[in-house]
Amino acid sequence: DQQVKQNSPSLSVQEGRISILNCDYTNSMFDYFLWYKKYPAEGPTFLISISSIKDKNEDGRFTVFLNKSAKHLSLHIVPSQPGDSAVYFCAASGNSGAGSYQLTFGKGTKLSVIP
Amino acid sequence: NAGVTQTPKFRVLKTGQSMTLLCAQDMNHEYMYWYRQDPGMGLRLIHYSVGEGTTAKGEVPDGYNVSRLKKQNFLLGLESAAPSQTSVYFCASSQDGNYGYTFGSGTRLTVV
Repeated sequence: DQQVKQNSPSLSVQEGRISILNCDYTNSMFDYFLWYKKYPAEGPTFLISISSIKDKNEDGRFTVFLNKSAKHLSLHIVPSQPGDSAVYFCAASGNSGAGSYQLTFGKGTKLSVIP
Repeated sequence: NAGVTQTPKFRVLKTGQSMTLLCAQDMNHEYMYWYRQDPGMGLRLIHYSVGEGTTAKGEVPDGYNVSRLKKQNFLLGLESAAPSQTSVYFCASSQDGNYGYTFGSGTRLTVV
């Protein structure tokens, strides 16, 4: 059973426009959420996170929104740049039923920013 | 540079061969993890360790063994490689287990 879902395998956006990547989760015990970015042939790198006590966290061009009642979070990138083209993984932390010492990742969304 | 180092970066194995993937971190992190990434499957946890001398199974542990004899090293072993183990393997470490993993650059393993 997939506890963190990224239903869009890919997304294409024009340079300068907004990119919105979505993530849903099913486990109400998750209390911390993260986004990782991955370029080809590299390991994932941490991008931004949000605690369940907040509904928004901003870092430059990147903003993460959390809707706890809907068990939904989204990553907004404004404005999108060609260098943002990568795979974005949503991850959640908390009591996943398998211990609280690990992150549960979604399958990823490949973002392509078209110049 | 501080971080997580994985060796080797690439390897081709024949079915039935064995090998060990090495992960080393120099951040004095307590927690270490091995993930595999397959197309359309995201990152799946194989095994993890919450401290020196400890290991635990993740989501997809079958066919793999691990050891954490030293705090800075986490080894992933394949005793008898199978084509289904063709994947990209990532090691990660974390200080507190829940937040902010640091990943290595990956090992691309092909089993023929």
